[in-house]
Amino acid sequence: AQKITQTQPGMFVQEKEAVTLDCTYDTSDQSYGLFWYKQPSSGEMIFLIYQGSYDEQNATEGRYSLNFQKARKSANLVISASQLGDSAMYFCAMREFNTGGFKTIFGAGTRLFVKA
Amino acid sequence: IAGITQAPTSQILAAGRRMTLRCTQDMRHNAMYWYRQDLGLGLRLIHYSNTAGTTGKGEVPDGYSVSRANTDDFPLTLASAVPSQTSVYFCASSVIAGGYNEQFFGPGTRLTVL
Repeated sequence: AQKITQTQPGMFVQEKEAVTLDCTYDTSDQSYGLFWYKQPSSGEMIFLIYQGSYDEQNATEGRYSLNFQKARKSANLVISASQLGDSAMYFCAMREFNTGGFKTIFGAGTRLFVKA
Repeated sequence: IAGITQAPTSQILAAGRRMTLRCTQDMRHNAMYWYRQDLGLGLRLIHYSNTAGTTGKGEVPDGYSVSRANTDDFPLTLASAVPSQTSVYFCASSVIAGGYNEQFFGPGTRLTVL
């Protein structure tokens, strides 16, 4: 079974609008972390935001926030005030601290297109 | 050097040939990782190393081997390349393995096996 599911292969958003990228995960571990990475067309992987399973507050980093719904096992990335430079591939990832060892599992990614 | 470097940037390789992808980090990170990225599949872990002298298998280790003789270097070897190993390979590192530790990624190596 897929551990990380990103159901949106591609998304379009108008510049300056907010966009939500979906991510659901599957784990029986009580202790885990969720990550979002951005991959622009240049190819590098850029860390955006992290949410721990025991964190009570949703993580925020500038224009990025993570809408963490533990009971639903979802960790959606919200980008506010989209910019043209946000056009990229976005990956959700999970690390299970007790059962997963040192492995970070990535989703298939969502490609975001920001329209001017 | 700043961060993680990978070499070569890209390579075209005949099937059956041996190939080593190089990865060097200068951040003194204990943990290092190799991923392959394929369209529609995201990144999949090939091998990892928690600390110098130790390695472990990831999700897709078959056909690949790694070594970790020191903290900085983590080469990935394809003993006898096959076309299904055509992919983009990313090396990554983190301060320590496990827990919350952001992984820093290299720029990637694009490998084509014909």
